[in-house]
Amino acid sequence: QKEVEQDPGPLSVPEGAIVSLNCTYSNSAFQYFMWYRQYSRKGPELLMYTYSSGNKEDGRFTAQVDKSSKYISLFIRDSQPSDSATYLCASFQGAQKLVFGQGTRLTINP
Amino acid sequence: EAGVVQSPRYKIIEKKQPVAFWCNPISGHNTLYWYLQNLGQGPELLIRYENEEAVDDSQLPKDRFSAERLKGVDSTLKIQPAELGDSAVYLCASSSGQGDYEQYFGPGTRLTVT
Repeated sequence: QKEVEQDPGPLSVPEGAIVSLNCTYSNSAFQYFMWYRQYSRKGPELLMYTYSSGNKEDGRFTAQVDKSSKYISLFIRDSQPSDSATYLCASFQGAQKLVFGQGTRLTINP
Repeated sequence: EAGVVQSPRYKIIEKKQPVAFWCNPISGHNTLYWYLQNLGQGPELLIRYENEEAVDDSQLPKDRFSAERLKGVDSTLKIQPAELGDSAVYLCASSSGQGDYEQYFGPGTRLTVT
């Protein structure tokens, strides 16, 4: 079993829809939770991160962590075609390595 | 500020040939990472450097892979000999070291082994 599991999709939604992307993790020692966005033929770029449980909002993006259920979510409001990319969740335990999910490919249709 | 630079962007080689990838991290970043990303998968760490020292190379297949970071700046990842299963994207990332979660990735080198 992978330490971070993510539904690979693909996920296709119309422009303006609310998108929900989800991951689960197995290691209860994970403390930091990140979301990366990766466009085709590009490297991942950090969207946002949260520490421990709770919500964090940045513009149209909201990251949510529920440590009791080991569940990580990213919500995108008013989705735009430019949001079409692969979204990678990742978890991080102190000074240890960053562990990625396999990524969800998202397409926003105009 | 320039981002992480990698070269070449694309490489096609025949199996059993050697290949090398180069990475120049963001200026001032002490920590450098090499990741392997297979198609449809998330990146997986191969090796992490703190300055010149490889502090985590547990996932690096040492029979054919090697890496170096001389002078604690640029880094080179080498495969010798390459196998068909090595076809993937090799990503380099760097961080300031003060919070490893803020890793900045380069565009990657897409390797195809035929």
